[in-house]
Amino acid sequence: DIQMTQSPSFVSASVGDRVSISCRASQGIVSWLAWFQQKPGKAPKLLIYGASSLQTGVPSRFSGSGSGTEFTLTISSLQPEDFATYYCQQANTFPWTFGQGTKVEIK
Amino acid sequence: QVQLQESGPGLVKPSETLSLTCTVSGGSLSSSYWTWIRQPPGKGLEWIGSIYYSGSTDYSPSLKSRVTISVDTSKNQVSLKLSSVTAADTAVYYCARGAGHYYSSGVYYYFDYWGQGTLVTVSS
Repeated sequence: DIQMTQSPSFVSASVGDRVSISCRASQGIVSWLAWFQQKPGKAPKLLIYGASSLQTGVPSRFSGSGSGTEFTLTISSLQPEDFATYYCQQANTFPWTFGQGTKVEIK
Repeated sequence: QVQLQESGPGLVKPSETLSLTCTVSGGSLSSSYWTWIRQPPGKGLEWIGSIYYSGSTDYSPSLKSRVTISVDTSKNQVSLKLSSVTAADTAVYYCARGAGHYYSSGVYYYFDYWGQGTLVTVSS
């Protein structure tokens, strides 16, 4: 199985801050990576697919980068509605696997 | 607008079989991987397994011996059965659509629509 490791596990940030979350795959997954946002009591929401493609309707302050084993989700200017938990997920090989999550909290 | 709705018992006894149904509306089951994902309380996401609309399946190795996912195209439904459950199977269970994205190297699937999730508690 491909293991996905996110860092950090928690981010404390203020509105307007630039936030970056890293995701590392235990083996190369090319660009077959997605990022999800999950708010308490809600289903995850797809933000980014193919490592850097923005899902329809997602604000442009979200961006993804990386390939191979190292990936990054960046929020350019954190908004109040962005406080949530973020997950990466590899879509390269079965079994599909998720990172453990990164919680973005209000500073 | 595609919508997914999970349904099934919220309480299952240990050693019994958990059965859930995902009803898809606003679209067909064609050309997508229909997937079950679960999330234990306060924890992260775990992929359980997926079924292609044609019926081929892939399961998590850790759950493979206990999981069956099936599709009923006439009812636009996807079903999950998980046998011999224990308290460790207590979780919110989500169904999700894996939509195919086509590239020169192949097709890759991303979960673009999700149900709202249903909490299943395993307890006597």
